Amino acid sequence: EVQLLESGGGLIQPGGSLRLSCAASGFTFSNYAMTWVRQAPGKGLEWVSAIGGRGDSASYAESVKGRFTISRDSSRNTLYLQMDSLRADDTAVYYCANSEGPVNKVYYFDNWGQGTLVTVSS
Amino acid sequence: EIELTQSPATLSLSPGERATLSCRASQSVLTYLGWYQQKPGQAPRLLIYDASKRATGIPARFSGSGSGTDFTLTISSLEPEDFAVYFCQQRFKLYTFGPGTKVDVK
Repeated sequence: EVQLLESGGGLIQPGGSLRLSCAASGFTFSNYAMTWVRQAPGKGLEWVSAIGGRGDSASYAESVKGRFTISRDSSRNTLYLQMDSLRADDTAVYYCANSEGPVNKVYYFDNWGQGTLVTVSS
Repeated sequence: EIELTQSPATLSLSPGERATLSCRASQSVLTYLGWYQQKPGQAPRLLIYDASKRATGIPARFSGSGSGTDFTLTISSLEPEDFAVYFCQQRFKLYTFGPGTKVDVK
């Protein structure tokens, strides 16, 4: 059974940094592209970032480009999102998801974690 | 950026009725469109990918159609567990989601 478990969320002041983690199990992690999607309270879904199974092909939404960095560690079966220069509008539940498309590219968001809440506020 | 619009914003129906949800793209996305269901307090779940293919374990009452800029998700006969919010998502150019359609009980 595929399991994705996010952690690392919390309350952070504007301008601060936070690193989210997503621990994966139940599938061969390095064979799957991975992604982060966020959802502001009471709002819709917003794709944030994606990375290929080999750690290549990273891509970012314009809203986070230059501030967020996606990475992965296949030895730990873990996906990361380093978030710097955080702003109030980054407040959201952050989900990680895997993609059952080609190894180097996300197609759809097939399996999701339960999410971790990031609140940016002074 | 490719924008997706969904209509209606809210669809009020009774169990057993047919639900028809629409998603329109600002430019052609070919058939690179998916649909997700989200219930309160839960993560989204992939229902349909590539416009018309059901994801693993999705009941046959869910079907998708369309290509280019106009897409439809149909739920042939609503079950109590189908009352939720539904989002469309394109993968033609990066990834964007529509704003969602809430299906609630009439």
